[in-house]
Amino acid sequence: AQKVTQAQTEISVVEKEDVTLDCVYETRDTTYYLFWYKQPPSGELVFLIRRNSFDEQNEISGRYSWNFQKSTSSFNFTITASQVVDSAVYFCALRGNAGNMLTFGGGTRLMVKP
Amino acid sequence: GAGVSQSPRYKVAKRGQDVALRCDPISGHVSLFWYQQALGQGPEFLTYFQNEAQLDKSGLPSDRFFAERPEGSVSTLKIQRTQQEDSAVYLCASSSSGPGDIQYFGAGTRLSVL
Repeated sequence: AQKVTQAQTEISVVEKEDVTLDCVYETRDTTYYLFWYKQPPSGELVFLIRRNSFDEQNEISGRYSWNFQKSTSSFNFTITASQVVDSAVYFCALRGNAGNMLTFGGGTRLMVKP
Repeated sequence: GAGVSQSPRYKVAKRGQDVALRCDPISGHVSLFWYQQALGQGPEFLTYFQNEAQLDKSGLPSDRFFAERPEGSVSTLKIQRTQQEDSAVYLCASSSSGPGDIQYFGAGTRLSVL
């Protein structure tokens, strides 16, 4: 069975603060993929990043960065210098080797205040 | 269109009514997924198509739920004799092919059963 846990249900920060969203996953597969999606109030899930289980290199894209650590089964997401437009619900998801569906965490609602 | 299109965006049904939700995937995408998202939770997998073949329907909650994709493009999720617990956002996603391919989501249909 696969499971994704996002322990932080809601985070509130002031603009320009850095914020890290935690994601812990469970899977017995040796090959798997991890994803982060953003869900703004409009409802559409917006893809942010995909990482496969063999690539533990951290990634930076502008103000966004991701820290993948297989040893702790974590795939954390950091937003540097947060902005009001970053306010949304963020989901971490896992896709295993068998089956094609995504298993989502419960999401973290991020509120960035001006 | 460029993205995944879902219609209607909102649907209100009286308990016991049948409803049909439509998904128009990204052109050329082989794989199509349906997810159910309850309020405040992460999306949960319902069913998966590869072209016109329904390869996985393990997530459908009951036999009142039925999905089809007869020509390998547009898909319809049908819910018969709706119940209040069916109230949720129904998300459709499509991807090109391959095990780790990115799933692109539509904005969803919000179903409210009164």
